[in-house]
Amino acid sequence: DAGVIQSPRHEVTEMGQEVTLRCKPISGHNSLFWYRQTMMRGLELLIYFNNNVPIDDSGMPEDRFSAKMPNASFSTLKIQPSEPRDSAVYFCASSLASRGTDTQYFGPGTRLTVL
Amino acid sequence: AQSVTQLGSHVSVSEGALVLLRCNYSSSVPPYLFWYVQYPNQGLQLLLKYTTGATLVKGINGFEAEFKKSETSFHLTKPSAHMSDAAEYFCAVTLGTGGGNKLTFGTGTQLKVEL
Repeated sequence: DAGVIQSPRHEVTEMGQEVTLRCKPISGHNSLFWYRQTMMRGLELLIYFNNNVPIDDSGMPEDRFSAKMPNASFSTLKIQPSEPRDSAVYFCASSLASRGTDTQYFGPGTRLTVL
Repeated sequence: AQSVTQLGSHVSVSEGALVLLRCNYSSSVPPYLFWYVQYPNQGLQLLLKYTTGATLVKGINGFEAEFKKSETSFHLTKPSAHMSDAAEYFCAVTLGTGGGNKLTFGTGTQLKVEL
């Protein structure tokens, strides 16, 4: 079975440009999470969805960040406009359900560099 | 609210030596606890988790962890380190029953294995 798929794996862009990160969760999973990882701040939860509905977006840093999940098999995280401080590795994770015991399965990440 | 403290951001051991990575948690309700491993340029992978039942939990790659409620700890151990164990390890907690599976991560411990 395929794991969580993220694209692109690497993205280099210039400040001010729009960036879209994509995630395909594991088939049958109902919860999806977006994380950001930096050396300074570690792993931060940005937003998560249950059954395609955003449940908690309190971790989204600013209005420049937005996330959507139009269906059960696809989610996007968009940054517009991007800034150098957005440079990080962005992970998507999915879980079967949203019970406390449900394991989150992580994708390989997208390494974003904003120049 | 729950939190996780990982003591020691860097741990170095010799190949064949005992690995001990420390994790203490704070939670207002009985927690569910997780250990994840991250190899360079990869996503996080579940090593093991404690939900209920036996307090000694065995995971992949020979790792195990013991939930000690009285000490609010969930330390990760492996009897004999291998070079392939070099990675970053994250302890994480969810709120337990009824609290969903939103993970709170520790700051991570980088494990170095020397010959």
